[in-house]
Amino acid sequence: QQQVKQSPQSLIVQKGGISIINCAYENTAFDYFPWYQQFPGKGPALLIAIRPDVSEKKEGRFTISFNKSAKQFSLHIMDSQPGDSATYFCAAPMIPSGAGSYQLTFGKGTKLSVIP
Amino acid sequence: DAGVTQSPTHLIKTRGQHVTLRCSPISGHKSVSWYQQVLGQGPQFIFQYYEKEERGRGNFPDRFSARQFPNYSSELNVNALLLGDSALYLCAARRSWESSTDTQYFGPGTRLTVL
Repeated sequence: QQQVKQSPQSLIVQKGGISIINCAYENTAFDYFPWYQQFPGKGPALLIAIRPDVSEKKEGRFTISFNKSAKQFSLHIMDSQPGDSATYFCAAPMIPSGAGSYQLTFGKGTKLSVIP
Repeated sequence: DAGVTQSPTHLIKTRGQHVTLRCSPISGHKSVSWYQQVLGQGPQFIFQYYEKEERGRGNFPDRFSARQFPNYSSELNVNALLLGDSALYLCAARRSWESSTDTQYFGPGTRLTVL
């Protein structure tokens, strides 16, 4: 069962445009929502994260919007650049069955292509 | 500080063989987790170790095992390889094991291909 549902699967945006990636979750116990960026041949890297007690967090061109009542959060990339072309994953920490600590459960990813 | 390092970068094995993947965490980061990332999917949790003890195991068969050494480096072992084990294996390090907000730093991964 997918704990975090991410859409779209792929996204093509013109340079300078806004990229928007959405995630939805069911587990109201989630208390932290990071976004990871992954370039080909690299491991995921933390991009930005938010806690559910705030509705928005902005870092440079990257913004997370959080809607607690709808159990949804989204990543907005303003003024998208070709260098932003990567796969983006939303995630949430959960305690897997049989585990003793928090581990990240990831969405399936969104492949973003920013064209010049 | 150097980031999380993993070796080897790429590996090709045949079905039924055994493989060992290695990870060195960031200095001061005592928790190591292993994830499997199949092409086109997000990473899936396999194991977590902290202070050489297993702290968590994901939904993977017993063919998968791991251990952590006194210097906090870690090995992931997979026995009796299947074609479906072909994936990118990621190691992630963090300072603690209890906190839900502790950042996980990922290594570049080992690309395993099983023929």
